Amino acid sequence: SAVISQKPSRDICQRGTSLTIQCQVDSQVTMMFWYRQQPGQSLTLIATANQGSEATYESGFVIDKFPISRPNLTFSTLTVSNMSPEDSSIYLCSVAGGGPSIEQFFGPGTRLTVL
Amino acid sequence: GENVEQHPSTLSVQEGDSAVIKCTYSDSASNYFPWYKQELGKRPQLIIDIRSNVGEKKDQRIAVTLNKTAKHFSLHITETQPEDSAVYFCAASRRGGSYIPTFGRGTSLIVHP
Repeated sequence: SAVISQKPSRDICQRGTSLTIQCQVDSQVTMMFWYRQQPGQSLTLIATANQGSEATYESGFVIDKFPISRPNLTFSTLTVSNMSPEDSSIYLCSVAGGGPSIEQFFGPGTRLTVL
Repeated sequence: GENVEQHPSTLSVQEGDSAVIKCTYSDSASNYFPWYKQELGKRPQLIIDIRSNVGEKKDQRIAVTLNKTAKHFSLHITETQPEDSAVYFCAASRRGGSYIPTFGRGTSLIVHP
C-alpha cells in the first residue's frame, strides 16, 4: 500500500488567515483527493487534484476557498483560505491508482481548529 | 450521481457475537465496493473490498457479500472482539470510469467485552 504523509498534523489558526496542507506519497499515483471529515461524520470529498491542471471540485466547494495544487504524481497541497470557525475539521488526503493497485488509501489527516 | 445508504448508524454487540452492516447503492454502473474501518483519531483503513463480478469475499472473520440485482452489499464480522470497535464506512465506485467513490454515512460498531 502507498505510504502517505501530511503536514501539518494539526494546527490552530485565527479566523481570516489561510493554511496550506501538504500531502506526500512515497510512490506515483494516478489519483489524489482531498476530503473533509467533521467530528462523527462521514467523508466529504472536496476535490480531485489533477496533475498539471485545475482541480475538479465537488458541489459546495470552490477554488477561491480551497485552492489545490498538484505539480507531480506524488505531491499535492490544499489551502484553506480566509478561514472561519466553520472550517474547523479534519482534512484528509487520499490516493488511488498506484501501480497495479486499485485500492484507495488515506493520509493521517490534518486536524484544523479555527478560533 | 451515486447515492450510498448505510445502516445501521450505530450497532452495539456483545463480544463473540456477529455484526452485520448493510449498504445500498443507486448507480448500477458501480462495480467496486470497498469497506473502511476508522478507529478513533485515526485514518480510514481499507479492510476488505469486492468487485461486481464476485458475490462474496471472505478474509478471516470478515466477509462481504454483494447482490447486484438488488444493489446492496453487506459487511459481516464474526466472533467480534473489543478491538473491532470503530466506525465502518462502505463505498461504491465505478472502476474504469470516473472512479470517484461515494461513501456511506458510517456505522459506529461497539463491541462490549
